Amino acid sequence: KNQVEQSPQSLIILEGKNCTLQCNYTVSPFSNLRWYKQDTGRGPVSLTIMTFSENTKSNGRYTATLDADTKQSSLHITASQLSDSASYICVVSEGYGGATNKLIFGTGTLLAVQP
Amino acid sequence: KAGVTQTPRYLIKTRGQQVTLSCSPISGHRSVSWYQQTPGQGLQFLFEYFSETQRNKGNFPGRFSGRQFSNSRSEMNVSTLELGDSALYLCASSLEYEGQGARRNEQFFGPGTRLTVL
Repeated sequence: KNQVEQSPQSLIILEGKNCTLQCNYTVSPFSNLRWYKQDTGRGPVSLTIMTFSENTKSNGRYTATLDADTKQSSLHITASQLSDSASYICVVSEGYGGATNKLIFGTGTLLAVQP
Repeated sequence: KAGVTQTPRYLIKTRGQQVTLSCSPISGHRSVSWYQQTPGQGLQFLFEYFSETQRNKGNFPGRFSGRQFSNSRSEMNVSTLELGDSALYLCASSLEYEGQGARRNEQFFGPGTRLTVL
């Protein structure tokens, strides 16, 4: 069964600290992996999207890594800010790289950054 | 460019009623997907429309239906509402492009419609 699991379920860190969120997937065939940030009461916003040939992708203070062999991805947040408090969702696209593939969503990691 | 817009933002209905939600994609986007988000289940895919045709469908009962118009705007309808239909309904429009040798469909989400069924 195609699944996406994220850990931890929730995380509390102090402002200025770094953190790493994990995503393990068992999706096959694999097309691409995305990380989204969702603020409370809002729609998700894309942070990064990676295909199997990409090992790392950065977007400001966010850096995503992908290991297609072990089917693991991580999202590293550097020098956290209060505005980073949100839910981070890992999404894996199942398919052969076509325009539209089935998206498998993780249940998200809820991050709280405290002053 | 304006983002994805959804109307209404909030809706309260009672069991047995039906509801229609609307989504306007980003200009130029032809793909529109609908998702249901609940605290316990996370985001679940409902269906996707492309050029007025349903291209993909999730595992939801027939009470959930949708359509897309020639201007790419989409509507989602839920008939005979149940208490369990209370959720945030998200719409996403997709830009399909070639990038680094791979075809991608990056999705842009709207703010959602919060549906409460009493």
